Amino acid sequence: AQSVTQPDARVTVSEGASLQLRCKYSSSVTPYLFWYVQYPRQGLQLLLKYYSGDPVVQGVNGFEAEFSKSNSSFHLRKASVHWSDSAVYFCAVSTHSNYQLIWGSGTKLIIKP
Amino acid sequence: DMKVTQMPRYLIKRMGENVLLECGQDMSHETMYWYRQDPGLGLQLIYISYDVDSNSEGDIPKGYRVSRKKREHFSLILDSAKTNQTSVYFCASSLVTEVFFGKGTRLTVV
Repeated sequence: AQSVTQPDARVTVSEGASLQLRCKYSSSVTPYLFWYVQYPRQGLQLLLKYYSGDPVVQGVNGFEAEFSKSNSSFHLRKASVHWSDSAVYFCAVSTHSNYQLIWGSGTKLIIKP
Repeated sequence: DMKVTQMPRYLIKRMGENVLLECGQDMSHETMYWYRQDPGLGLQLIYISYDVDSNSEGDIPKGYRVSRKKREHFSLILDSAKTNQTSVYFCASSLVTEVFFGKGTRLTVV
C-alpha cells in the first residue's frame, strides 16, 4: 500500500529566504508524485508533478521539487519566498496502475516579514 | 476555462436536516471525487465516481451518499446531518492523474 508523510505540520520562513518542504513516500513501485498548494478559502491547485525522467521538476512561481528514489522523497524547494507563498502545501502520490491520489497531511507555510 | 464549481460555498444546517452539496465540472472528466478537509487531517476521500451511476466508497463513506446522473454533475447528500459532519467539503474531477478542485463548501451543522 502507498502512503505519504509530510513530517512538518508548520514551517516558518522569512521573506526572501529559501524554502524546503519535506515529503516522504512509501510505494512498492516508482510512483507519480505531486505537490499541490491551497491558498486560504480556496481549493487545491497543482504546483508541479513528476512522472519520470529528470528528477528535478519545475513548477509554477519558482517552485521546484526533487525526486529521490534512494530516499523515497519528493521535497519541494524555492530559492526565495514571497509573502504570497503563504499557504498549505500538500504532497500526493499515485501509480500508473491506480491513478487515485494518496495525500499527505499538508504543511502550512508561514512567511515572516 | 477548466473549472469545478461548488454550490453553495457556505451552509449552516441544523442537526437532523438533510443536506445537498452540488458540484459541476465543464471538462467532461469521467472521474469525480468528494473529499472532506478537517484541520490537521488533510483530505479524506468520501466517494469517488468513475462515470454516470458508477460510484465507489472512499475511505470515510459512512453518513454520506452520492448521486451522479450526468457526467458534469456530482452531488453529495447527507441524510440527517450530524454535528461531526461539520467540515469543508471539496469536489474534484480528474483527467488521468491531474486533479482539479472546486473552491469548497464550508458546512456547519448546529
